[in-house]
Amino acid sequence: RKEVEQDPGPFNVPEGATVAFNCTYSNSASQSFFWYRQDCRKEPKLLMSVYSSGNEDGRFTAQLNRASQYISLLIRDSKLSDSATYLCVVLNDYKLSFGAGTTVTVRA
Amino acid sequence: NAGVTQTPKFRILKIGQSMTLQCTQDMNHNYMYWYRQDPGMGLKLIYYSVGAGITDKGEVPNGYNVSRSTTEDFPLRLELAAPSQTSVYFCASRVRDRADTQYFGPGTRLTVL
Repeated sequence: RKEVEQDPGPFNVPEGATVAFNCTYSNSASQSFFWYRQDCRKEPKLLMSVYSSGNEDGRFTAQLNRASQYISLLIRDSKLSDSATYLCVVLNDYKLSFGAGTTVTVRA
Repeated sequence: NAGVTQTPKFRILKIGQSMTLQCTQDMNHNYMYWYRQDPGMGLKLIYYSVGAGITDKGEVPNGYNVSRSTTEDFPLRLELAAPSQTSVYFCASRVRDRADTQYFGPGTRLTVL
């Protein structure tokens, strides 16, 4: 079983729509959780950390469910610039494990 | 700060050739990592280092070697290039702050023919 699994998508949504997707992780002892954003052929960049109580950063909301071992990301009022691949990332000891990514395309 | 820099940006190798991918960070981070990303796949950890003089294998270390003689530099060596090593290679460094942010270099696109 992969350490981090994501729905690859693609999610194709109109501007202004809300889009949400999840990832699951296999190691119940995982310590920290993140969403990274990766644009085509570029390096990943941290979008936001995910805290146990859930957290928001502008139009982005992240949730963590430790009991079910899943993490979610919700994007409200989608912009064209939100088109990217979103990577679910889990920290175990010194190492980050990456999901394969969920591709989101926002259309005009 | 320049952040994490990688050279070269692109490289084509013939089977059996060797090369070193360079990675430098100027943020004084102790943790550094090498990943590879194949098309449509997630990042896979090749090697990592928790400080100068300390390195350890990741998920896919075969065919690679690393060294960490200074905090700033973490080169990745390919000794006998194989087509299976065609990939995009990312170096990263990490800071232990509340966000536990990992910073990536721009990547090296390697093709082995």
